[in-house]
Amino acid sequence: GENVEQHPSTLSVQEGDSAVIKCTYSDSASNYFPWYKQELGKGPQLIIDIRSNVGEKKDQRIAVTLNKTAKHFSLHITETQPEDSAVYFCAVPNSGYSTLTFGKGTMLLVSP
Amino acid sequence: NAGVTQTPKFRILKIGQSMTLQCAQDMNHNYMYWYRQDPGMGLKLIYYSVGAGITDKGEVPNGYNVSRSTTEDFPLRLELAAPSQTSVYFCASSYSGGLGYEQYFGPGTRLTVT
Repeated sequence: GENVEQHPSTLSVQEGDSAVIKCTYSDSASNYFPWYKQELGKGPQLIIDIRSNVGEKKDQRIAVTLNKTAKHFSLHITETQPEDSAVYFCAVPNSGYSTLTFGKGTMLLVSP
Repeated sequence: NAGVTQTPKFRILKIGQSMTLQCAQDMNHNYMYWYRQDPGMGLKLIYYSVGAGITDKGEVPNGYNVSRSTTEDFPLRLELAAPSQTSVYFCASSYSGGLGYEQYFGPGTRLTVT
C-alpha cells in the first residue's frame, strides 16, 4: 500500500499563531489528499481535501498546499484558536481508490 | 440521520473471550471500513467492504473477521481475544472509494483485553 509520513508528531503553538503540518507520500500516481481532524473522544472528521489538479485550496482559516513533484502536501492553520486543539491526520488513497492510508497523526495544542 | 453508530462504547474482555463490535450506518453508503487506533500509531485498516456480500482484508486483519449481509451493517468479530487487540476501534463509511468521497466515522469502541 501507500507509504505516508506525517510530521511533526506534536505541535504546540500560542493562540493566534500559525500551524503547519506536512505529509509525504510514495505513489506519484496519487491525486487526492484529504485531511481529517480528531477531537478528544471522537472519530476523525474530514476538514479539507485537495485534488492534484490544483496546488492550493483554502477554507477560512485552513488551507492545504500540494507539491506533486516533491510528493508532499501540507495543512496550514492560521490564527489558531484553542478549539483547533486536536489530532490531525493526512491520508492518501491506495491503488484502486477503495481505501485510504492515514499518516500517524499530529497532536496540535493551542495554548490561550 | 444518525450517521455511523457503534456499540458498545467500552468493553473489557478476558484473554480468549470472543465478541462482536457492531457498526451501522443510515446514509446508504456502499463502502464500510473497520480501523483500529493505537496510541501514536494512527489508524490502521482491519477490513473493508465495497458492498453487501463483499469484504476484503486491510493492513492488519489477523485475529478478526467481518461479514456484510446488508448495506447498513458491518459487524467486526474478535475470536480468542489477545492483549494485542487492546485498542480503540472505529467504523467508517463512504458513498464510494477514496477519490474525493468523505469517510464518515463512528464514535469508536474502546476495547481492553486483560
